[in-house]
Amino acid sequence: NAGVTQTPKFQVLKTGQSMTLQCAQDMNHNSMYWYRQDPGMGLRLIYYSASEGTTDKGEVPNGYNVSRLNKREFSLRLESAAPSQTSVYFCASRVNTDTQYFGPGTRLTVL
Amino acid sequence: RKEVEQDPGPFNVPEGATVAFNCTYSNSASQSFFWYRQDCRKEPKLLMSVYSSGNEDGRFTAQLNRASQYISLLIRDSKLSDSATYLCVGYNYGQNFVFGPGTRLSVLP
Repeated sequence: NAGVTQTPKFQVLKTGQSMTLQCAQDMNHNSMYWYRQDPGMGLRLIYYSASEGTTDKGEVPNGYNVSRLNKREFSLRLESAAPSQTSVYFCASRVNTDTQYFGPGTRLTVL
Repeated sequence: RKEVEQDPGPFNVPEGATVAFNCTYSNSASQSFFWYRQDCRKEPKLLMSVYSSGNEDGRFTAQLNRASQYISLLIRDSKLSDSATYLCVGYNYGQNFVFGPGTRLSVLP
């Protein structure tokens, strides 16, 4: 039981490049989330998916797209990376209780 | 104003000390609250939920005051391993989780 996994762990992009961050959970959770964490800002919600087939914007969705591929997987795509998207990205999942389980994070640098 | 606010610290305390963190929230509709712990360069992990009546888990005690929109976390007999950032989190059903910026704790030998 791996919990929530994320790939890659680290990534460096040039401005304008695109990439997809992958997230998978093996806990059969309905809800999945993408957050970014910047110094002094706390975690901010980018997008979430309450169940397979649905996605909704969070607090900071601009510049990102998501896909809930199936119940296990929830990917985050940056179509044209900008330096302001340099951050640590966390994926999380939740069943019907209030607890969220986080993946180990992806450290992204955009030059 | 941030929806969940915390003193960023750092709090530097000696081993064995008692330390308290405070958190305030602005959305009176928030229904559930939590404390998460985040170690350096790691993911957040749930420390404990916060109940209206207050709750305790070993050396950790959480309190919620809905009238003042205030949450606290008390750590007794601090250990070196308690060094981490503590995140206060509010949840409003249907509106997801809101994280505070975190309070950094360093327990010194």
